[in-house]
Amino acid sequence: DAGVIQSPRHEVTEMGQEVTLRCKPISGHDYLFWYRQTMMRGLELLIYFNNNVPIDDSGMPEDRFSAKMPNASFSTLKIQPSEPRDSAVYFCASSLSRVNEQFFGPGTRLTVL
Amino acid sequence: KNEVEQSPQNLTAQEGEFITINCSYSVGISALHWLQQHPGGGIVSLFMLSSGKKKHGRLIATINIQEKHSSLHITASHPRDSAVYICAVFPRMNYGGSQGNLIFGKGTKLSVKP
Repeated sequence: DAGVIQSPRHEVTEMGQEVTLRCKPISGHDYLFWYRQTMMRGLELLIYFNNNVPIDDSGMPEDRFSAKMPNASFSTLKIQPSEPRDSAVYFCASSLSRVNEQFFGPGTRLTVL
Repeated sequence: KNEVEQSPQNLTAQEGEFITINCSYSVGISALHWLQQHPGGGIVSLFMLSSGKKKHGRLIATINIQEKHSSLHITASHPRDSAVYICAVFPRMNYGGSQGNLIFGKGTKLSVKP
């Protein structure tokens, strides 16, 4: 298996633009997690899905953030409109069950100017 | 107070040294995760454990549930071990507002000099 795949790896955009981050989990994993990592706050859970259904989105900072999982092999995290404080590395991870080893993608480094 | 505390925050060692990174937590947990992150790189899962000890190559992880403490040991350290090591815990379901999701420590930055 190729592991968790994320795209793009790097994204530079201007404030106010829409940003879409993509994730393909490991086949057969029922759980998908979106995390954000910053120097100040470390790793934070944004949202997670079980069998394509959003279970906990309490970590989503505000309405500008939205996430979808239309099928078992694809998820998106969208920021609209983006702001400079959204600059961070966004990781997607997947696992077989909620309390199980999580496998992380390579991350998307987002810079909002 | 952070629910997951790691020590030390930074660690510099000479190649070949035995290294210990500590993780203490204040909540009841289902399991604990050790992760590794190389500079500018992705995050790799090292261990997940809920009791006892696990070993993989030169890495050993132990956990004491009663004392709410885990350690990650690296034997015969090498410069390629230089990375940030992150401890994360799965709290028991319905703990606080986390709904049992991973709680991360702030990481220990390890630098191994040749």
